[in-house]
Parts: sequence; C-alpha cells; structure tokens
Amino acid sequence: QKEVEQNSGPLSVPEGAIASLNCTYSDRGSQSFFWYRQYSGKSPELIMFIYSNGDKEDGRFTAQLNKASQYVSLLIRDSQPSDSATYLCAVNWGNTPLVFGKGTRLSVIA
Amino acid sequence: EAGVAQSPRYKIIEKRQSVAFWCNPISGHATLYWYQQILGQGPKLLIQFQNNGVVDDSQLPKDRFSAERLKGVDSTLKIQPAKLEDSAVYLCASTFKTGFGGYTFGSGTRLTVV
Repeated sequence: QKEVEQNSGPLSVPEGAIASLNCTYSDRGSQSFFWYRQYSGKSPELIMFIYSNGDKEDGRFTAQLNKASQYVSLLIRDSQPSDSATYLCAVNWGNTPLVFGKGTRLSVIA
Repeated sequence: EAGVAQSPRYKIIEKRQSVAFWCNPISGHATLYWYQQILGQGPKLLIQFQNNGVVDDSQLPKDRFSAERLKGVDSTLKIQPAKLEDSAVYLCASTFKTGFGGYTFGSGTRLTVV
C-alpha cells in the first residue's frame, strides 16, 4: 500500500525564519511529488512540484527531493504570517491519482 | 479561466438519509477526481474519471457511494444511506492531463451527518 507520511505539527517558526517541512513516502517507484497549501476552511492549492533529485526553487519556496532516501521537503524562506497554513505533500506513481499525506500545520509567529 | 465549481457548500443531513454533490470541472479538463477529506487528515481518493469513464474507484465504498460523469463534463457524487463517519469535506478536482498531479480543486462541500 502506497503511503505518504508527514509530521502533523504544529510547526512554529518566527517571522523571517526558514520553515522546513518534511515528507517521506513508501514506494521507490514513485515519480512525481507535489506540495499543496491549504488554509483553514479552504481547499488545497498547488505550490510546487518536483520530479528529479535535487532542489527546485520558486520565489521563497524550495522543494528538495532525495529518491534514494524516499524523502521530499519544502523550505519556505523569509516566512510570513500569511504562510500559516497546512502543507500537504502528495505523490503519484505513474498515472495514478495523487496520494496525500495528512499535512503539516505551520504557524508563523509575528 | 473559471475554476472548479462545486455545490452545495454545506449540507447537514441525518444518518440514513441520502445526499448528492455536484461538480463542474475546468473547461477542457478531461480528468476529474472526487476526494474525501476528514478533519485533520489529508484528502483520500474516492474515484477518478477520464472523460465519462471510471479509471479508479477502488477506494469508493460502493455499498453506499455512487458517482457518475455523464457526457464527460459535470459529475455527481451520491451517498445513500449516509453514516456518521461520512462527515467530511468532499473535494472535486480536475487536471488537464491524466498523470499530472497539479490538480485544481473546487471549494468543496462540507457534509455533516447527525
């Protein structure tokens, strides 16, 4: 059974700090990795996706993938109170639908 | 472009009653998903459609849940009869290409079963 694991948090960081969110997955055959942000009472929205080992940067966000360790992370630089949300890690294997983790709740303290 | 439309936004029903949710995906998106999100958990797939055909319904509780996507556009998800544990947010999502995990989600329907 394919599983995606995340620490549920909450993860609290001060404003301006780097927030580091981590995710592990169960199957080495996975190919694509996605990070979604979900504000309380809202639906998930896509932040980033990564396919290859290494880092991918987009503005204040950096996704990191290590397939050998079955580990993907999201770094948020210069964290803002508006970044406070639940961050969902999602993985798909080939053309299968996304499997989501439970999400990590991030709280950025002003 | 218009987003994924869902209705109703909220629904409260008694257990053993039936309920239906509606979804209209982004125009041109052939792949449509229904996910269930219980409070404090990540979304869990119920069913995937490609055009008007079912691709994956392995996690759909078929004794009480049903879904259809006639004409390959709108979709409805039905629960009959509802149980207390069906209380959740039901999310519809679509994507332009099967296998691409960059989904656009609708605003969801929050179902409370009492």
